[in-house]
Amino acid sequence: EAQVTQNPRYLITVTGKKLTVTCSQNMNHEYMSWYRQDPGLGLRQIYYSMNVEVTDKGDVPEGYKVSRKEKRNFPLILESPSPNQTSLYFCASRIGGGTYGYTFGSGTRLTVV
Amino acid sequence: AQSVTQPDIHITVSEGASLELRCNYSYGATPYLFWYVQSPGQGLQLLLKYFSGDTLVQGIKGFEAEFKRSQSSFNLRKPSVHWSDAAEYFCAVGAGTASKLTFGTGTRLQVTL
Repeated sequence: EAQVTQNPRYLITVTGKKLTVTCSQNMNHEYMSWYRQDPGLGLRQIYYSMNVEVTDKGDVPEGYKVSRKEKRNFPLILESPSPNQTSLYFCASRIGGGTYGYTFGSGTRLTVV
Repeated sequence: AQSVTQPDIHITVSEGASLELRCNYSYGATPYLFWYVQSPGQGLQLLLKYFSGDTLVQGIKGFEAEFKRSQSSFNLRKPSVHWSDAAEYFCAVGAGTASKLTFGTGTRLQVTL
């Protein structure tokens, strides 16, 4: 089944403890992206990648890192999480070219205490 | 910069009634427009998209949307709503082959029986 898989689905962590949220897609998509969703703000792009080793900042990149060493994987790294990073995170992927919509993962709900 | 406005935060309709969700966008050139639906606890699913051609596009689950350049709008419609359509709906605009999608803040649809 074609899908974007995120892990974990739920995570509670403490301030300052480094964490990684994994994202993997099995559709051979070039583009991958991370979004965070907050009430009343919709989805905001954190980082995106147009291919292996090609990444760039989205609208809210502060406090996050990403890497794209393989085409299928696009992990999101929080080096020193803070409570304002408590949010619902979505990974998404799509074929190159703007006419294709993103396929989204099921989300990761992160709570930083 | 591109932007999307969904003026209705919450809409309630009766099952069997018609539905229209509003979306206004801001973008300098011809936009790529999308509607996504998010059921509770789920990721986002693509309903339909517009990038050129016929301004009335058909999507999944009986939804359609009409692109009106003069009004900078891309409203989502359904002739007869089902209780299972209760969800949050997001309009998004993309810029050509760029990987960024800008989302609106969403409209939560409640369906009464």
